[in-house]
Amino acid sequence: GAVVSQHPSRVICKSGTSVKIECRSLDFQATTMFWYRQFPKQSLMLMATSNEGSKATYEQGVEKDKFLINHASLTLSTLTVTSAHPEDSSFYICSLTSEAFFGQGTRLTVV
Amino acid sequence: AQSVTQLGSHVSVSEGALVLLRCNYSSSVPPYLFWYVQYPNQGLQLLLKYTSAATLVKGINGFEAEFKKSETSFHLTKPSAHMSDAAEYFCAVSGNTGNQFYFGTGTSLTVIP
Repeated sequence: GAVVSQHPSRVICKSGTSVKIECRSLDFQATTMFWYRQFPKQSLMLMATSNEGSKATYEQGVEKDKFLINHASLTLSTLTVTSAHPEDSSFYICSLTSEAFFGQGTRLTVV
Repeated sequence: AQSVTQLGSHVSVSEGALVLLRCNYSSSVPPYLFWYVQYPNQGLQLLLKYTSAATLVKGINGFEAEFKKSETSFHLTKPSAHMSDAAEYFCAVSGNTGNQFYFGTGTSLTVIP
């Protein structure tokens, strides 16, 4: 069965609103989770490393105030896209601290 | 620093033909290498991984890959393509399991009936 559950799978929102994406570890406690972004027909780019109980570590060029990451428990990390713009439209994927466990991804469309 | 390069963004093969998807890596430490498959609007599924054990790695769905240190390569092969193999394939490198991954730009595989 699935080890990682990501929700929602698709979301459409209006410009200026915020969207929250959840990534849940179903089978074990995850002190670290990773968030990736994938533009159409491109590869996955690591956005940030989510650390349970502490601040996330963001990759260079990723706005931490725009992409808020919360990892308040060992089974849940959330990514909130704040004040969304059309250019934020993308496919967002989370992963656990293991090479085999990726979420199903979230297709965000900002209109 | 770690990175992977996937040669060929698009590969087309006939059904039943050999599939060869190329991946070259760069790593300052002994690499862990992975191949993933992605179907449209879905997450990633692990096909196989190399973690310094056998250099020829067998994965799911009949895929395999060979780690060649002298060539810094980790090419993915399948003897006979099936229509269901049509998807996007990503090569990735990690310093060790549990660390973040660095992905190649992907190769889109088309299988021609």
